[in-house]
Amino acid sequence: ILNVEQSPQSLHVQEGDSTNFTCSFPSSNFYALHWYRWETAKSPEALFVMTLNGDEKKKGRISATLNTKEGYSYLYIKGSQPEDSATYLCAFRTGNQFYFGTGTSLTVIP
Amino acid sequence: ETGVTQTPRHLVMGMTNKKSLKCEQHLGHNAMYWYKQSAKKPLELMFVYSLEERVENNSVPSRFSPECPNSSHLFLHLHTLQPEDSALYLCASSQDRGRMISRRNEKLFFGSGTQLSVL
Repeated sequence: ILNVEQSPQSLHVQEGDSTNFTCSFPSSNFYALHWYRWETAKSPEALFVMTLNGDEKKKGRISATLNTKEGYSYLYIKGSQPEDSATYLCAFRTGNQFYFGTGTSLTVIP
Repeated sequence: ETGVTQTPRHLVMGMTNKKSLKCEQHLGHNAMYWYKQSAKKPLELMFVYSLEERVENNSVPSRFSPECPNSSHLFLHLHTLQPEDSALYLCASSQDRGRMISRRNEKLFFGSGTQLSVL
């Protein structure tokens, strides 16, 4: 079992603040790194799939970066909105296996 | 709506009951997964079916029995469960290539989960 760590575990920010979280994963046997957004009572939905060292992806106010050599990925949210409140999961993929972190729970306070 | 539907959403069962969880995907995918989410723990892979063949088992207790009759449907049959089996059970699907590694950018599509309580 591979270790995928996410920090912080939870986060409360004010509406309008920018924030970021970290996903740490093994630096060997890398295949892909996924970020999922999981709202309460809904399904986790893929935000980004990153495959190359140095990848940067952006979707609206949310962006992510990837460093496969040192084994980390950052997720950034610019100008947080209450609708951004969710748990953000990262998953390290090696071959056909996915290893998930425990997630970062974000609450955006209006 | 992710195209993956799970039923029931909630299930309460006694330790001697037999029940089944159902998952259906409308995405034309050929791989389906069962994951378990316990409190404060990461998602744990239980079973993978790719092209209707079980690929991974991950040493799940035999009181959990998966069934994949076709590429669109996946079941998890439950019997003589323990209270520690109480958790959220998530189904997912993806486009796979069987025992070959699928494309790097393939992602998982999840259902909303079944919240299981074992009394």
